[in-house]
Amino acid sequence: EAGVAQSPRYKIIEKRQSVAFWCNPISGHATLYWYQQILGQGPKLLIQFQNNGVVDDSQLPKDRFSAERLKGVDSTLKIQPAKLEDSAVYLCASSLVAGLSYGYTFGSGTRLTVV
Amino acid sequence: QKEVEQDPGPLSVPEGAIVSLNCTYSNSAFQYFMWYRQYSRKGPELLMYTYSSGNKEDGRFTAQVDKSSKYISLFIRDSQPSDSATYLCAMWAYSGAGSYQLTFGKGTKLSVIP
Repeated sequence: EAGVAQSPRYKIIEKRQSVAFWCNPISGHATLYWYQQILGQGPKLLIQFQNNGVVDDSQLPKDRFSAERLKGVDSTLKIQPAKLEDSAVYLCASSLVAGLSYGYTFGSGTRLTVV
Repeated sequence: QKEVEQDPGPLSVPEGAIVSLNCTYSNSAFQYFMWYRQYSRKGPELLMYTYSSGNKEDGRFTAQVDKSSKYISLFIRDSQPSDSATYLCAMWAYSGAGSYQLTFGKGTKLSVIP
């Protein structure tokens, strides 16, 4: 079974620039999550999708972050404009069903550095 | 007070030692308790999960949950250099409207020295 694919692996941008990350979940996984992991911290949920609908985006800074999952498969997360404090690893995870607490599979993440 | 507290370490032990990793939590709504292992520049991978209070064993790993004390532990027996990683506790609860929250601790960085 192929894992969760994320690209790019690394990105360095200047503050106020925009950036986008891409995630392709495991085939058949209906639920997709984006997490932000700041250095030395645990991952923090940004947004949860069920198929192509948003279930929870309460912790997404909507003034600068946006995410979409148009066809219920792959997803993009965008930051515009970026701030220094956005430097983090952005992890995508997927699960077969939303209520399967132990069924999350994470990708390797995109490491963003904002300078 | 944060929902999940975990000592970030770092923790350094000799090969073969027994390792004890711990987390405390404050939210009584947490139902499932998990331990993830995260190698450098990789995403977290699930090690173990438990639902009820008590112990669960899987090879060299034992997960322990004490709901009355809101305390969970992970024990690693006969630790190996390949166990060197960051260990994240995570707790899962239904947060309403079809949303399920997985809340992580900060992670404990473990080094097992040959």
